[in-house]
Amino acid sequence: DTGVSQNPRHKITKRGQNVTFRCDPISEHNRLYWYRQTLGQGPEFLTYFQNEAQLEKSRLLSDRFSAERPKGSFSTLEIQRTEQGDSAMYLCASSPRQGNYGYTFGSGTRLTVV
Amino acid sequence: DQQVKQNSPSLSVQEGRISILNCDYTNSMFDYFLWYKKYPAEGPTFLISISSIKDKNEDGRFTVFLNKSAKHLSLHIVPSQPGDSAVYFCAASGGANTGNQFYFGTGTSLTVIP
Repeated sequence: DTGVSQNPRHKITKRGQNVTFRCDPISEHNRLYWYRQTLGQGPEFLTYFQNEAQLEKSRLLSDRFSAERPKGSFSTLEIQRTEQGDSAMYLCASSPRQGNYGYTFGSGTRLTVV
Repeated sequence: DQQVKQNSPSLSVQEGRISILNCDYTNSMFDYFLWYKKYPAEGPTFLISISSIKDKNEDGRFTVFLNKSAKHLSLHIVPSQPGDSAVYFCAASGGANTGNQFYFGTGTSLTVIP
């Protein structure tokens, strides 16, 4: 297992277009998280899955954002009608089922909306 | 509402000396704390953690201290090495009591001068 994998690494899109990112967590981790990081800030929580169930959503996750984890394995994050303010690094992380563990982060997807 | 604060955006230290990175939090429900290290264009990498039942945790050159009454934690790196140059984030969680997420500070950029 090579850790948490995110694709693509970079995405440039025009304002108004839809984009989708993919995250493949560590296989034995049943918890999956999406965070967003902008310049000069720490990662900000977007949403959390336990297996296929989406259990928490941040108010940062507007109705243009949707995340899925259909079979409790990989996850996708879609942003519809992108805006320039959506430009950020989108980080995926996973953690094991039990215990108070830190996350293992992927390398992120850098989104630039032009 | 920034619940985890790192008030020093940057720190420079001579190689071989001690680096001390500080972090303050406001939420008394937080009971688990982490430090992450981040290089450019990579996701954060887990460094060290501490539970609220402890006041110190050590791992090689890295030691984290927790002062619950002051809601303050610090990361000590001794001796500092040029490869330690990175952005360091502290993060805190209260598990289900705080939304099953980690709250991150804004980071401190450490430069270790050879």
